[in-house]
Amino acid sequence: DQQVKQNSPSLSVQEGRISILNCDYTNSMFDYFLWYKKYPAEGPTFLISISSIKDKNEDGRFTVFLNKSAKHLSLHIVPSQPGDSAVYFCAVGSGGSYIPTFGRGTSLIVHP
Amino acid sequence: EAQVTQNPRYLITVTGKKLTVTCSQNMNHEYMSWYRQDPGLGLRQIYYSMNVEVTDKGDVPEGYKVSRKEKRNFPLILESPSPNQTSLYFCASRIGTSVTGELFFGEGSRLTVL
Repeated sequence: DQQVKQNSPSLSVQEGRISILNCDYTNSMFDYFLWYKKYPAEGPTFLISISSIKDKNEDGRFTVFLNKSAKHLSLHIVPSQPGDSAVYFCAVGSGGSYIPTFGRGTSLIVHP
Repeated sequence: EAQVTQNPRYLITVTGKKLTVTCSQNMNHEYMSWYRQDPGLGLRQIYYSMNVEVTDKGDVPEGYKVSRKEKRNFPLILESPSPNQTSLYFCASRIGTSVTGELFFGEGSRLTVL
């Protein structure tokens, strides 16, 4: 059973609009959350993270929101740009563990 | 330049022919791991290593072996490859053992087993 779910395999957005990528997790013990971005023919790269003591973390156009009670996190990209077109993976873990668990990814396409 | 290097990037092989995918990092990272990416399944961890001579199974270790004799290298060995091991493989490293550190990934190795 999946511990981390990205229920939207794909998302299509117009340039300049907001992209919202969602991630749900099942284990309330998870307390650290990361987003990775992957372009075709490249390895994933770290994008942004948040710990459970916060409910929001912002880095430029990228903001991650965490709703612990709902076991839900989301990545907002504002404004979206064509260069943001990639697969986005959320990853979760607990601070005492070594291994992040990845979701299956959401493919974002930003149309010019 | 800080990087994780995997070789080969592309390989086509036949069932049963042993192969090794090498992984090397130049960042003096303690933690290294191998993932496979399959359509609709995301990134699944095969094996990981906390440090030299310390390795452990991930979620999908069957059919794979690893070794960590030096800190910088973490090869993935397929002793007898089978078609269900056709996949895109990523090696990753991290400075510490905590999940809070970011993972640095290699560019991937696309393996086809006929």
